[in-house]
Amino acid sequence: EIVLTQSPGTLSLSPGERATLSCRASQSVSSSLAWYQQKPGQAPRLLISGTSNRATGIPDRFIGSGSGTDFILTISRLEPEDFAVYYCQQYGGSSRTFGQGTKVEVK
Amino acid sequence: QVQLVQSGAEVKKPGASVRISCKPSGYTFKFYGIHWVRQAPGQGLEWMGWINTGNGNTGNSQNFQDRVTITRDTSASTVYMELSSLRSEDTTVYYCVRDSSGYYDYWGQGTLVTVSS
Repeated sequence: EIVLTQSPGTLSLSPGERATLSCRASQSVSSSLAWYQQKPGQAPRLLISGTSNRATGIPDRFIGSGSGTDFILTISRLEPEDFAVYYCQQYGGSSRTFGQGTKVEVK
Repeated sequence: QVQLVQSGAEVKKPGASVRISCKPSGYTFKFYGIHWVRQAPGQGLEWMGWINTGNGNTGNSQNFQDRVTITRDTSASTVYMELSSLRSEDTTVYYCVRDSSGYYDYWGQGTLVTVSS
């Protein structure tokens, strides 16, 4: 099973700042990595697939990058609605796995 | 629009089984696989298994061994997930999700299963 490790666990930032979230895979997943956003009481929402492809309706301040084992989700300028938990998910292996999540909170 | 509607909350005793339904709409049922993901309160996401809605093939996470059974009823365009031998750690929210070539583009609203004696 491919293990995904997200860092940091919590990111404390102010609106307008840049957020950088990391996701590291225990073995290569090529570009088969997605990112999701989850707000309290809601189901996760797809942000990015294939490492860097934004889902329909996702603002361009969300930027995905990386390949192989190291991936980054960048939120260029945090808006108030961006404070949430973010998960990465790989689909390059025989099974699917998620990272443990990064919480982006208001500083 | 695409929707995945799940059945309602359940309360079960340890050792029992639970079956949750997931009814997709807004697209052709057999064209997308359905996976199941769960999330314990305040915790992360855990992948459970999948079904190919076209041919009925399934696969499960090794974490659940033989406790998870995923089926589909093509006449009703509905997918079912049954989890057996329930224990307290199975108290979580269960989501069905549409598989779009590996990632999940639509999620059900979630079904809370509470396991308590």
